[in-house]
Amino acid sequence: DTGVSQDPRHKITKRGQNVTFRCDPISEHNRLYWYRQTLGQGPEFLTYFQNEAQLEKSRLLSDRFSAERPKGSFSTLEIQRTEQGDSAMYLCASSTRPGPGRSGELFFGEGSRLTVL
Amino acid sequence: AQTVTQSQPEMSVQEAETVTLSCTYDTSESDYYLFWYKQPPSRQMILVIRQEAYKQQNATENRFSVNFQKAAKSFSLKISDSQLGDAAMYFCACTRVAGGTSYGKLTFGQGTILTVHP
Repeated sequence: DTGVSQDPRHKITKRGQNVTFRCDPISEHNRLYWYRQTLGQGPEFLTYFQNEAQLEKSRLLSDRFSAERPKGSFSTLEIQRTEQGDSAMYLCASSTRPGPGRSGELFFGEGSRLTVL
Repeated sequence: AQTVTQSQPEMSVQEAETVTLSCTYDTSESDYYLFWYKQPPSRQMILVIRQEAYKQQNATENRFSVNFQKAAKSFSLKISDSQLGDAAMYFCACTRVAGGTSYGKLTFGQGTILTVHP
């Protein structure tokens, strides 16, 4: 499978616990994005990386959220001290760097669904 | 800042018929891309069609076409000869363009659930 993979697909946790999600992008893609999608809504941008550099973070990404992409390949999204409002689907996407002849189309993973009890 | 609005929470169509999904947007950017993405149940989101705002010609991909009205900031998706596999949530999205290349940070609408009846 050469698509974007996310792990775990489902996570149920108690309020106050920490959770970590992993995303493995398509291997030749140097851009990686995290989005959050709540039930019945469209995805909302959280952050993105170009290689290992985190270039932008949304105001949605509170201090309890941290994302890393240490070697420019896979990425992790950690949520500390989870709250019920963090319950959502966390989507990862990857793309090539847009440029002449490169559309920069986003390829999404299937998402990691978080339920905070 | 950009906003994208999909005013149809749900739509339905008979197999083999045509359906149009509506989308309006607002952006202060002079150059931008518009997209329609499809999200089947429990499956990943995939790109259906893309429109560069500077192009006057409406994009077409097989059975999928758009009606891009730049002045009205409207971007509707037409699905012809609907198939059962078209059933999904459809999202309209927008991104700014810088230096002739898309940014990748998308602003999505709320989505439209499309049901296809056999």
